[in-house]
Amino acid sequence: ETGVTQSPTHLIKTRGQQVTLRCSSQSGHNTVSWYQQALGQGPQFIFQYYREEENGRGNFPPRFSGLQFPNYSSELNVNALELDDSALYLCASSLGPIKGDTGELFFGEGSRLTVL
Amino acid sequence: AQSVTQLDSQVPVFEEAPVELRCNYSSSVSVYLFWYVQYPNQGLQLLLKYLSGSTLVKGINGFEAEFNKSQTSFHLRKPSVHISDTAEYFCAVRTGRRALTFGSGTRLQVQP
Repeated sequence: ETGVTQSPTHLIKTRGQQVTLRCSSQSGHNTVSWYQQALGQGPQFIFQYYREEENGRGNFPPRFSGLQFPNYSSELNVNALELDDSALYLCASSLGPIKGDTGELFFGEGSRLTVL
Repeated sequence: AQSVTQLDSQVPVFEEAPVELRCNYSSSVSVYLFWYVQYPNQGLQLLLKYLSGSTLVKGINGFEAEFNKSQTSFHLRKPSVHISDTAEYFCAVRTGRRALTFGSGTRLQVQP
């Protein structure tokens, strides 16, 4: 069974640039969620994708956007980077909003973004 | 809105001592509750979950948690900790079908 994989693991950008982070979901999972974890804080929900559509969104501005592909992998895009966007970005996959889904998330190891 | 409060940001404890990490939640509906662990430079790993049924939940690595509806708590316990348990621990509540709301974390520091 293949777990959740994310790339890149680390990257450095400057303010105003754009970034794309990638995630491959665990085998058999059709739903991908993205979380932002700032230093010393708990993860915060950005959004979730199910069947290639956004299925829920947290309190993040529109410059945070995403995609899900037919193979259930996903991208997180952040435009016009700000210093406060520096964080660990976690991708999590799950079985999706089906009957019996417990909401358990399986996390990747994250992409650490530094904005200078 | 549902929220989670982890009352202790850091918990130092000696090896082989018992430990309790506290978590309180607020919710007006039935809850699913989770504890995750995060080792340095890694993602989050599920320790245990409460969905329904028995209020005492057993997880991996010898951890357990007790769901207390009247006190809206879900405290994590381990009777005897090891150095390898040093990590950040997060309590989380499921928000509808779409997200988990996490607490701010508790850093467990096990000392020899």
